[in-house]
Amino acid sequence: SQTIHQWPATLVQPVGSPLSLECTVEGTSNPNLYWYRQAAGRGLQLLFYSVGIGQISSEVPQNLSASRPQDRQFILSSKKLLLSDSGFYLCAWRVTYNEQFFGPGTRLTVL
Amino acid sequence: AQSVAQPEDQVNVAEGNPLTVKCTYSVSGNPYLFWYVQYPNRGLQFLLKYITGDNLVKGSYGFEAEFNKSQTSFHLKKPSALVSDSALYFCAVRETEYGTDKLIFGTGTRLQVFP
Repeated sequence: SQTIHQWPATLVQPVGSPLSLECTVEGTSNPNLYWYRQAAGRGLQLLFYSVGIGQISSEVPQNLSASRPQDRQFILSSKKLLLSDSGFYLCAWRVTYNEQFFGPGTRLTVL
Repeated sequence: AQSVAQPEDQVNVAEGNPLTVKCTYSVSGNPYLFWYVQYPNRGLQFLLKYITGDNLVKGSYGFEAEFNKSQTSFHLKKPSALVSDSALYFCAVRETEYGTDKLIFGTGTRLQVFP
């Protein structure tokens, strides 16, 4: 069966520090992968999506970046975190008929 | 551009009563519509979808949604609410940009079911 992992589950980082969040999926190949951010427990903002290895599309220009070094690995990064980067980060992959399956999320607090 | 609107920030309902969480959409072409639920500090869970076919779609945990083309709505319903249904609910529509399958989410509606 398909599974999606995210780590770390929670993270507290100082302003200006780097960031690396990892997402991996199991049980599928060549999935479409997505990074979302949820602020203040409400709406989701699509940050990046990827349709294949090395293929990244950015939805919102900001100080975050994404990479897909392997078929089932999707990484969200930043060189210098801002206070506004705090939030709940969700990774997702497309299942069938366009529904997406979400990982457990990473809660990032920037102090 | 595709979009969905959830006009209610919060819906309160007593346990055992029917519940409705509203969603309206704006799309070009045929809509692909979804409902997701989120429990505190968790990822989103898929509830149901409308792609084509019957306007009444049945999903997980006893939820259903009615697609209404003339009113451009896709309201989520349940005949008898449970306290455990209390959560954040998101309506979403598929972006039609080919091959990306991006979902555009509403702002969410918090459902509170009181015992």
